[in-house]
Amino acid sequence: QKEVEQDPGPLSVPEGAIVSLNCTYSNSAFQYFMWYRQYSRKGPELLMYTYSSGNKEDGRFTAQVDKSSKYISLFIRDSQPSDSATYLCAMIKAAGNKLTFGGGTRVLVKP
Amino acid sequence: EAEVAQSPRYKITEKSQAVAFWCDPISGHATLYWYRQILGQGPELLVQFQDESVVDDSQLPKDRFSAERLKGVDSTLKIQPAELGDSAMYLCASSLSQGLLNTEAFFGQGTRLTVV
Repeated sequence: QKEVEQDPGPLSVPEGAIVSLNCTYSNSAFQYFMWYRQYSRKGPELLMYTYSSGNKEDGRFTAQVDKSSKYISLFIRDSQPSDSATYLCAMIKAAGNKLTFGGGTRVLVKP
Repeated sequence: EAEVAQSPRYKITEKSQAVAFWCDPISGHATLYWYRQILGQGPELLVQFQDESVVDDSQLPKDRFSAERLKGVDSTLKIQPAELGDSAMYLCASSLSQGLLNTEAFFGQGTRLTVV
């Protein structure tokens, strides 16, 4: 079993809808959580970075962490066709440790 | 805006040949990572440097892969000899890694390797 699980999708939504993405993890040692967006044939782009349980907002993006359930989420409001990409969750156990990634969820926002 | 630079962007090589990738991290970033990403999967760590020292190379196939970061700045990843199964995207990332609040990592655009 992988340490970080993520539904591969694809997740197809109409333009303007809310996109809801999530990851579950098995090791409670993970302390820092990130969401990356990756367009085809490009490197991952950091979207959100969180440390504590709770919500963090940045524009149309909201990241949610529930350490007690070992569950993290990313919500994208007012989705646009340009949001069509693969979204990767990643987490770190401590400063200076490696990032462990989920397998990514492919999202398609249809005009 | 500071970014992680990687070259080349694309590389096609024949199996059994040698290939090398280069990465220049964001200035001042102590931690440098090399990840391999197979199409449709998440990136997996090959090697992690803290300054010039290797801190994790447990998943690096050391019979054919090598990595160095001689002056603690830029880094080179080499494969010799390349095999068909090495075809993937090779991603470099860097992180400031000072204290609790600087663990986020920034990625370059990657090198897409095709072994024929």
